[in-house]
Amino acid sequence: GNSVTQMEGPVTLSEEAFLTINCTYTATGYPSLFWYVQYPGEGLQLLLKATKADDKGSNKGFEATYRKETTSFHLEKGSVQVSDSAVYFCALSVSRSEKLVFGKGTKLTVNP
Amino acid sequence: DTAVSQTPKYLVTQMGNDKSIKCEQNLGHDTMYWYKQDSKKFLKIMFSYNNKELIINETVPNRFSPKSPDKAHLNLHINSLELGDSAVYFCASSPRVDEQYFGPGTRLTVT
Repeated sequence: GNSVTQMEGPVTLSEEAFLTINCTYTATGYPSLFWYVQYPGEGLQLLLKATKADDKGSNKGFEATYRKETTSFHLEKGSVQVSDSAVYFCALSVSRSEKLVFGKGTKLTVNP
Repeated sequence: DTAVSQTPKYLVTQMGNDKSIKCEQNLGHDTMYWYKQDSKKFLKIMFSYNNKELIINETVPNRFSPKSPDKAHLNLHINSLELGDSAVYFCASSPRVDEQYFGPGTRLTVT
């Protein structure tokens, strides 16, 4: 089946620190990969996506590269801010599927 | 202008009651979803509708019944509420599966 595994949280960093949140996946076929972010008290928002191997998604200083050889899509940011504090979800969809499969989410707290 | 809206935002009710959550989107999307997020933030799809037709029905108790009166609305009715139904329920809509827009969520507490 299709599944997503994210690193266990919570992750606590100081402002301007480097962020990595690991995500690996198992999928039949060739999935598209996503990172969604959920700020406190809000719904999820699409942060970035990549639809084929070696694609790099980027947005708001965050980046993730679709690595087919390691079945990974790790999220990175060079310098986090307090406003990045949120829960981050890795997700995939497989072509001809109408649904997203989410990882369990990783809570990030950034302290000033 | 709220793209995906849900009402109510908070819902506190007793076991055994029946309740509904409403969702509306003004984005013109064809597909809408209901998700359940548990206390550990785990997010799981429940249902999906495309143009008022049910296309995804995950393993959900039949106490949960979605209804889509038109493609801009997808409501969730829950019968005989149980303690384990306490969660945050999110509605979402999308023009395609890889771009989903989520509502703000409805926090359901069953006492």
